[in-house]
Amino acid sequence: QVQLVESGGGVVQPGRSLRLSCAASGFTFSSYAMHWVRQAPGKGLEWVAVISYDGSSKYYADSVKGRFTISRDSSKNTLYVQMNSLRTEDTAVYYCARDTGRSGFYDLGDFWGQGTLVTVSS
Amino acid sequence: QSVLTQPPSASGTPGQRVPISCSGNSSNIGTNYVCWYQQLPGTAPKLLIYRNNQRPSGVPDRFSGSKSGTSASLAISGLRSEDEADYYCAAWDDSLSGWVFGGGTKLTVL
Repeated sequence: QVQLVESGGGVVQPGRSLRLSCAASGFTFSSYAMHWVRQAPGKGLEWVAVISYDGSSKYYADSVKGRFTISRDSSKNTLYVQMNSLRTEDTAVYYCARDTGRSGFYDLGDFWGQGTLVTVSS
Repeated sequence: QSVLTQPPSASGTPGQRVPISCSGNSSNIGTNYVCWYQQLPGTAPKLLIYRNNQRPSGVPDRFSGSKSGTSASLAISGLRSEDEADYYCAAWDDSLSGWVFGGGTKLTVL
């Protein structure tokens, strides 16, 4: 069965960096676009970034553009997001989610991970 | 302020039909597919509807989606207590080159 398991969350000071990972199993990872979506405490869902099935296309929310980098390693079946220059407003649960297609434009999130909490605080 | 607009709350009694609206513009809902998600307290979101009106396997047919112009709607019929959750709509936005979500609708089963 499809499984997505995030890791790497924790407490980090403003301005520092953190890398989240999402280990995928139960499907052909290299055939699907993948997303990061976050949810601040008590708030709604916010899309963060998407990467196409082969890593050739990447898109970001304006709120993280220039600070976050999404990537994937198909040899490890793992999705990443490198988060630099973190701000207090980046505090959230970060979910990885699979797209139903290769590009990432059509159907976000037929499968989701359980999420990992990132807390940015001094 | 979310790009897609949803009512913050909705409610109904068991057995009722409850609609939840999602309003966007020509760059998102007007041009692209709409997805709907259910999020139970303390859990990850779950895809309920994709491509405007398609249900993933395992999603009951009590849940249905529709789209007209720049608005979409999720309808839940035969309301049950376990449907009490937050519901979100989402779509790709051509102008922003990214996905946008609605602010979410908290459904209460009275």
